[in-house]
Amino acid sequence: DIQMTQSPSSLSASIGDRVTITCRSSQSISTYLNWYQVKPGKAPKLLIYAAASLQSGVTSGFSGSGSGTGFTLTISGLQPEHFGTYYCQQSYRTPYTFGQGTKLEIK
Amino acid sequence: QVQLQESGPGLVKPSETLSLTCTVSGGSISGSIYYWGWIRQSPGKGLEWIGSIYHSGTTYYNPSLKSRVTVSVDTSKNQFSLKLSSVTAADTAVYYCARHEYNYGFEDWGQGTLVTVSS
Repeated sequence: DIQMTQSPSSLSASIGDRVTITCRSSQSISTYLNWYQVKPGKAPKLLIYAAASLQSGVTSGFSGSGSGTGFTLTISGLQPEHFGTYYCQQSYRTPYTFGQGTKLEIK
Repeated sequence: QVQLQESGPGLVKPSETLSLTCTVSGGSISGSIYYWGWIRQSPGKGLEWIGSIYHSGTTYYNPSLKSRVTVSVDTSKNQFSLKLSSVTAADTAVYYCARHEYNYGFEDWGQGTLVTVSS
């Protein structure tokens, strides 16, 4: 299985800040990397697919980059609605695997 | 806009079989490019992909669960289902159904349903 490792596991930031979450895969996955936002009691939401493509309907402020084994999710201009847990996921090969999550708290 | 809704028992006894159904509305499972999958999240833990199915019946399973999992599709009802046998407390989780293109992200999800394994 391809292992996905996220960092940090949690972070706290202020409104208006720019935050970056990192995801690394245990082997090259090209750009088959997706990012999700999960909030308690709500369905997970796909934010970014194919490493850098913004999913339809997702507000700007989210951006992704990377290829191979290293990827980043950046949130620019942090807003209260951005709180939640963020997961990366590789779709290069089954079994599809997720990172362990990064919990974002708003100061 | 496609919508997915999970349904099934919220409580299952140890050693029994967990059965869930996902009903798809606003789009057809048949003839679609999409795969239909199941993902779960155990309390306090991360997300785990269980398996996916294509409308033709082609399935892909997580090897960690493969011996206990069956995913099936009923195109006449626009539904797909999950069966997980010989459950234990470790299978307690919120179970989500979702749709995805092969090798792409899970773009639409159900709200999730909590299944507790307990006697």
